[in-house]
Amino acid sequence: GQNIDQPTEMTATEGAIVQINCTYQTSGFNGLFWYQQHAGEAPTFLSYNVLDGLEEKGRFSSFLSRSKGYSYLLLKELQMKDSASYLCAVNLNAGNMLTFGGGTRLMVKP
Amino acid sequence: DVKVTQSSRYLVKRTGEKVFLECVQDMDHENMFWYRQDPGLGLRLIYFSYDVKMKEKGDIPEGYSVSREKKERFSLILESASTNQTSMYLCASSLGTGSNEQFFGPGTRLTVL
Repeated sequence: GQNIDQPTEMTATEGAIVQINCTYQTSGFNGLFWYQQHAGEAPTFLSYNVLDGLEEKGRFSSFLSRSKGYSYLLLKELQMKDSASYLCAVNLNAGNMLTFGGGTRLMVKP
Repeated sequence: DVKVTQSSRYLVKRTGEKVFLECVQDMDHENMFWYRQDPGLGLRLIYFSYDVKMKEKGDIPEGYSVSREKKERFSLILESASTNQTSMYLCASSLGTGSNEQFFGPGTRLTVL
């Protein structure tokens, strides 16, 4: 089966930096997504990595190591509005399906 | 902007009822998906469709069926609702090429009594 692991919960302080890790063991790999989901709302796209390395987009960066089956999402200069769940998802093949991890609930404190 | 809409935000049904959840996307996407989301379990794929009248089972298809008669519309059907189908249901669509980024609808919170 497919296995995607991320921490269930994390807490961080406003203004700080937080790193959310995701490890995966899947039968195929054609890219990794990070989504943000505020409580009661739909997930929204944050980033996509298909090659090894760091992708930076404003305060958010995402890193991928395919050989290690590992990714992380880095959030800088945390704001209260960053309190949300962060979902890691792997595209298993060149087709259409994503397999999601359980999500990491991030709480940002003042 | 891609827009994915779902017919209801909240729905309450009784055990044994037939339930229809509708999803519509306005960006001519090839692929459409139905997920359910439960605490601690994340998003789990129920069914997906990569073309009109085509469907594929996801990870948890039991107790569900789907219909895609038109490209923009993907329906999830609970033939006989049960209490363990109480959940948040999310619809998504993707273009079918490139990164396969999925765009999600707002979700339907279904409660089966």
